Parts: sequence; C-alpha cells; structure tokens
Amino acid sequence: DTAVSQTPKYLVTQMGNDKSIKCEQNLGHDTMYWYKQDSKKFLKIMFSYNNKELIINETVPNRFSPKSPDKAHLNLHINSLELGDSAVYFCASSQAPLTYNEQFFGPGTRLTVL
Amino acid sequence: GENVEQHPSTLSVQEGDSAVIKCTYSDSASNYFPWYKQELGKGPQLIIDIRSNVGEKKDQRIAVTLNKTAKHFSLHITETQPEDSAVYFCAASRSGNAGNMLTFGGGTRLMVKP
Repeated sequence: DTAVSQTPKYLVTQMGNDKSIKCEQNLGHDTMYWYKQDSKKFLKIMFSYNNKELIINETVPNRFSPKSPDKAHLNLHINSLELGDSAVYFCASSQAPLTYNEQFFGPGTRLTVL
Repeated sequence: GENVEQHPSTLSVQEGDSAVIKCTYSDSASNYFPWYKQELGKGPQLIIDIRSNVGEKKDQRIAVTLNKTAKHFSLHITETQPEDSAVYFCAASRSGNAGNMLTFGGGTRLMVKP
C-alpha cells in the first residue's frame, strides 16, 4: 500500500532515555514533516524537510534531532526524554513544500515517558 | 505568527442532523484553509480545502465557507452519519511561508448518535 508509515506505534520509556521514531513514505513526495499532538489533541508542527534539507524548525528543544537519510525517510531522535515529551508524534509528507499541497499523515507514534 | 481558533471543542448531534464547526484566523495573508478528519487511533486526513479566491466549496455532504473580511471559515456536514464521528481540525496557511507550514485549530470532537 502507498502510505506514510511510522515505527514503532507505541513507545514507553523512562525519563532520561534516548529514543528514535522512524518514518517512511512511498508516495514519491519531496517534503516530510514531524508534528506533535499533545493530550488535548492540539497539533503543532515541529520540523519540515524538503529533499533532505531542513526548511522548518519550530523552536523545538535541541534534544529533538530529525534526520533525513533520503527524501523517503525522516527519523526523529529524542535525547534525555522528559515527562513533557509524552505525546503522539505524527509524520507527514507532501509532494512539495508549497501551499495547497495536501499533507498525508502517518498513523502516529504514542510516546509515553514515565 | 498565525493563530487559529476553533469552536466548539465538542459537538454532539443526532444522526441525520447537520453539524457546523467554526474557525477564525489572525493572519490576513493566509490564503489556504484545509480541513482534516482524525479518526480514533489514526492520523489526520484531508477531507476538503478552500482557497482564498472562493467563498464556498462543496463535496457531497461536506461544504466549507470562507469569509475573508471577517477572517473566519466554517465546515458544514449535512445528513450526518455515525461514521462522521471523529475529531475535525481546521488549519490555515499562506503562500510564501517556509515549507507549506499549516497552523491548526484546537480540534472539534464530533459525536453522531444513531
């Protein structure tokens, strides 16, 4: 199936640990995104990459480091996890970094920090 | 930056009734307004969008209206069905911003009672 996929779907870890979330899209899109959805369902962009280059960085703590090995993949690494990092993280992609381009979302990764 | 407010936060309707969700935005330069539907355990999915050069757009039971002067836009769902139950997000974006950045409203949980 053509889609945006994320692994893992659930991630439970202790404070202070380092963890990664992987994202892959097989839609042939050039642009990928990471969003954070908090417990109140508020959805906020964190990063965007276009052709492996960072184009949006929305004042996210530098404990969060995205990496795009190629334009089909955008991974998110989080160092020194904190309780406030608990949320659902969504990866998305669009054909280009342009207005009017539909963003396709993955199924989300629920991160719980204990 | 852009700020999008969405009301109501929850909406309960009887099957067959209409549902209306309203959003206001702050940046008069915003010119693209998509609506996303998020079903339980899934990522948001685009259901309809409108550009600032039109005042209304329809797609079967779903319609969106835009009032640029007042800086508000609304989603209308007619003949609601139980499968319409989900969280709906409005969003705003403008041409020229870096990387197709969407600002989302806080979401509306729609419950359609059979």
